[in-house]
Amino acid sequence: GAVVSQHPSWVICKSGTSVKIECRSLDFQATTMFWYRQFPKQSLMLMATSNEGSKATYEQGVEKDKFLINHASLTLSTLTVTSAHPEDSSFYICSAGRGVTIYEQYFGPGTRLTVT
Amino acid sequence: AQKVTQAQTEISVVEKEDVTLDCVYETRDTTYYLFWYKQPPSGELVFLIRRNSFDEQNEISGRYSWNFQKSTSSFNFTITASQVVDSAVYFCALSEAGYGGSQGNLIFGKGTKLSVKP
Repeated sequence: GAVVSQHPSWVICKSGTSVKIECRSLDFQATTMFWYRQFPKQSLMLMATSNEGSKATYEQGVEKDKFLINHASLTLSTLTVTSAHPEDSSFYICSAGRGVTIYEQYFGPGTRLTVT
Repeated sequence: AQKVTQAQTEISVVEKEDVTLDCVYETRDTTYYLFWYKQPPSGELVFLIRRNSFDEQNEISGRYSWNFQKSTSSFNFTITASQVVDSAVYFCALSEAGYGGSQGNLIFGKGTKLSVKP
């Protein structure tokens, strides 16, 4: 159990366009979902945390108007990169949390975004 | 402030050697969780272990073992008789019991790239 999927697994888009990444918890309801970004050969950096039905909490330095997060249901969260630029090219990983106080986080397989 | 330090950026060993990956953490919380994840070249994070701050027992799972020492704020990971398939980047992470909105957030170390050569 505790499977998280991401779609697409990779995407190439042109500079200035927007791209949406979906994160789904397949066999459990996620109280919270997390979005991470990982640049090549670097660690995972938390971008934002979202709870179903409420606004996402963004980490310092992450532009909320550029990285739109929607957590419409307990099994789906989406990250939209708006007006993408080449510097947004990265590996985006979501995780879904299950639990009341200390979250058990289950990670998706990641989405590799390349902006040309 | 919370912080996870993995001082070893890259380690290279020959198959069958034992290898220890170091992890030192900082936190003000008394209740927290420590994790190790493996990230193979495919990119997907593989969960290895979660440990809470009240359980200092060492753990062994097959060729993997973990040494948690609160006195030195360390949570080291040892692979015994390493294999080529162990080649990956390994991340240590910390999650605090938290307060307000930070509850459950994972703070990752920078990772250690392990290369096991045949």
